Amino acid sequence: GENVEQHPSTLSVQEGDSAVIKCTYSDSASNYFPWYKQELGKGPQLIIDIRSNVGEKKDQRIAVTLNKTAKHFSLHITETQPEDSAVYFCAASGWNRDDKIIFGKGTRLHILP
Amino acid sequence: GAVVSQHPSRVICKSGTSVKIECRSLDFQATTMFWYRQFPKKSLMLMATSNEGSKATYEQGVEKDKFLINHASLTLSTLTVTSAHPEDSSFYICSAISDPSTDTQYFGPGTRLTVL
Repeated sequence: GENVEQHPSTLSVQEGDSAVIKCTYSDSASNYFPWYKQELGKGPQLIIDIRSNVGEKKDQRIAVTLNKTAKHFSLHITETQPEDSAVYFCAASGWNRDDKIIFGKGTRLHILP
Repeated sequence: GAVVSQHPSRVICKSGTSVKIECRSLDFQATTMFWYRQFPKKSLMLMATSNEGSKATYEQGVEKDKFLINHASLTLSTLTVTSAHPEDSSFYICSAISDPSTDTQYFGPGTRLTVL
């Protein structure tokens, strides 16, 4: 089955700097890759997603890149702000898995003042 | 759009009692909802897929008689933890798909269950 690896598990960046979180997946049939942000005590919030027919997608300070050949995708947050501190999860999904999405283990992002 | 709510947000119960958690899609109809469980500082673990009008599909290792799921309408799925024990204490989160043509899942705010 699908396996999603996420790195790093913890990331600290200075406010204003960029943060990059990387994920790899194992099932070449996966074609949908969402990223979720989870704050303490809350449910995950979809922040950006990408499908396998595009290589990059951007939404203001957040961007996601996808390399289908290498089976990896990354989240880029630029000009980080204190409110970006949270746990970020990558995930992978495919039509052959009845809409189930497989999550990475999460990255705890700390924005340092 | 695509707002999912859960009720209650927190519940404390005694061991041996049953607890029902509701998941509602507020501004869309969801033929498919999912129930997850999350332990502290861990990722989300899929428990079951809930389809409106049919029986839920449980993941391997999840006891269907312990975690009863009912998806009676296109906007409501319920998870009942029966005969709860302290090891059932966890953060339970539901999600729903707003557009059947996509895989996009929108999550509820979660329910913190504590079993004494």
